[in-house]
Amino acid sequence: DVKVTQSSRYLVKRTGEKVFLECVQDMDHENMFWYRQDPGLGLRLIYFSYDVKMKEKGDIPEGYSVSREKKERFSLILESASTNQTSMYLCASSLTAGDYGYTFGSGTRLTVV
Amino acid sequence: EDQVTQSPEALRLQEGESSSLNCSYTVSGLRGLFWYRQDPGKGPEFLFTLYSAGEEKEKERLKATLTKKESFLHITAPKPEDSATYLCAVLGSSNTGKLIFGQGTTLQVKP
Repeated sequence: DVKVTQSSRYLVKRTGEKVFLECVQDMDHENMFWYRQDPGLGLRLIYFSYDVKMKEKGDIPEGYSVSREKKERFSLILESASTNQTSMYLCASSLTAGDYGYTFGSGTRLTVV
Repeated sequence: EDQVTQSPEALRLQEGESSSLNCSYTVSGLRGLFWYRQDPGKGPEFLFTLYSAGEEKEKERLKATLTKKESFLHITAPKPEDSATYLCAVLGSSNTGKLIFGQGTTLQVKP
């Protein structure tokens, strides 16, 4: 089974901190994605990557950056955490064309206080 | 623009009361329609992929069907453990590798 592992299930950070969310997949998938999920707003795409060192902005990239130095690892960075970034963050991966859909991680519930 | 709309937003059923969830879509060149189940506080889990109109897939009490404009997730004789949010997503030819998600339907099955 493809596994997508997110480093933390729950995280509490202070306003202004720099926050790193890590995601690792073990099936050699080319594509990786970061979403946030909020009640009533559904899944919103933050950033995605089709290959190592490549990144594309999603629908809500403001306040976030990403890093993909290795194929299996995709990191989401909150440069200066704010309370409106309190959310569930989901990482996903897929093969290049996406025809088999995504495999999701278990999510990181981030609270910014 | 590719779009996915799920209805209803929320559904309450009694145990054993069968029903259907709807996923309407507009997409340029459908390459796949996906159903996921998401439990509270967890990531979505893959259920089905449908690739062409007329296709059907089944798993336990769930059956997914596909037409050219919509997909249904039929739940037969549901149990409380079927309570979850069900997400629908499409992959179109103009969004290489990127799925477009609906808002989801939250199902509650009462004993």
